[in-house]
Amino acid sequence: DAKTTQPPSMDCAEGRAANLPCNHSTISGNEYVYWYRQIHSQGPQYIIHGLKNNETNEMASLIITEDRKSSTLILPHATLRDTAVYYCIVRRSYSGNTPLVFGKGTRLSVIA
Amino acid sequence: DAEITQSPRHKITETGRQVTLACHQTWNHNNMFWYRQDLGHGLRLIHYSYGVHDTNKGEVSDGYSVSRSNTEDLPLTLESAASSQTSVYFCASSDRNPYTDTQYFGPGTRLTVL
Repeated sequence: DAKTTQPPSMDCAEGRAANLPCNHSTISGNEYVYWYRQIHSQGPQYIIHGLKNNETNEMASLIITEDRKSSTLILPHATLRDTAVYYCIVRRSYSGNTPLVFGKGTRLSVIA
Repeated sequence: DAEITQSPRHKITETGRQVTLACHQTWNHNNMFWYRQDLGHGLRLIHYSYGVHDTNKGEVSDGYSVSRSNTEDLPLTLESAASSQTSVYFCASSDRNPYTDTQYFGPGTRLTVL
């Protein structure tokens, strides 16, 4: 699976959009971009994933650049409960049985 | 609703004792995983299973074992607990889907080895 690079920490004002970047310049054609988050002392939580088109669900939006070398997770109206560590993970489609590899992630602090 | 549960949520044990952490999922997922998370570190994979009677070692498997006798459960056993195994343990499961590989995590077990 391709390696990802994320900033170690970010701040966001409550009610504003939180934009979390992720670089994955070595991504290959059959690899998806996944985002998870971990709120303090809880298990990681799946947020969203995509291949090349932008994706949106009830939690967030995922914007993937045309060359697929980077992506941005957008929380449209951040709340204090969104304070967490966010992990960007790149992995291939389910043709191989490889488990998730979590890096250090980005610690997002939502400030009142 | 389907879910994944872990028990106990907190455990204190002594060095040298055998400890078993339970993981149970009701999604009927084929794949199950055990991770550990230490302070200041990300998640590290201990063992995983892709179906009944299948088990595989992860990156930090020494001192741990698992067995998969049914789809719902993947218990993690520490054969002889060591202080270095003090950690938070997370279980996860996922379905065998060719287009996605979303893992769903349990609430975690905080293990302290004295």
